[in-house]
Amino acid sequence: QSVLTQPPSASGTPGQRVTISCSGSTSNIGRNTVNWYQQLPGTAPKLLIHSSNQRPSGVPDRFSGSKSGTSASLAISGLQSEDETDYYCATWDDSLFGWVFGGGTKLTVL
Amino acid sequence: EVQLVQSGAEVKKPGESLKISCKGSGYSFTTYWIGWVRQMPGKGLEWMGIIYPGDSDTRYSPSFQGQVTISADKSISTAYLQWSNLKASDTAMYYCARHVSSSGSYGRRLDPWGQGTLVTVSS
Repeated sequence: QSVLTQPPSASGTPGQRVTISCSGSTSNIGRNTVNWYQQLPGTAPKLLIHSSNQRPSGVPDRFSGSKSGTSASLAISGLQSEDETDYYCATWDDSLFGWVFGGGTKLTVL
Repeated sequence: EVQLVQSGAEVKKPGESLKISCKGSGYSFTTYWIGWVRQMPGKGLEWMGIIYPGDSDTRYSPSFQGQVTISADKSISTAYLQWSNLKASDTAMYYCARHVSSSGSYGRRLDPWGQGTLVTVSS
């Protein structure tokens, strides 16, 4: 059981916009920014969005993030076949003094 | 380029001990926390613990306290994760990641990540 709650799966057709949600609590998302990671098969997680809505250099602007209260979301617009992979949300938990993750969302491009 | 390079895959038997490593380069190793994350086969990410190489201050997730030991040797910019009594349930991919603290309008993040070390425990 992950501390942050994500839907296990999401899907969309090429060109469509999809969103993935991430729900937490006051001790984690409520007090800290949220990061999103993309994990391609057989590779390490890659930082996709940090500070809730900031894209690292090299990440396409099709990816965007937002946060409100104790929830956050990742939006992917102009869906492409290469976006089909796993996505994780993560944030710091002040009560745990550690990182907490969502269970991951497997995105399928139909 | 900031980089974390982990040691290679390991195959061990139950009851054996193991120490895997994570070497940092391209930044001041002693001034950033290093975290360890477990990913069991087909499962999600689990935070195990974190160490500050500058003074070896270490914090563990309650789920992993007493199960593993995290350490660091700042003289060679390397962090370690070790087991003294491996179990089959320790079979997983283990990642290290640099913990970047919040600064200005930017929040904490784990970035970059090492390439991962696959640990297989089987009799």
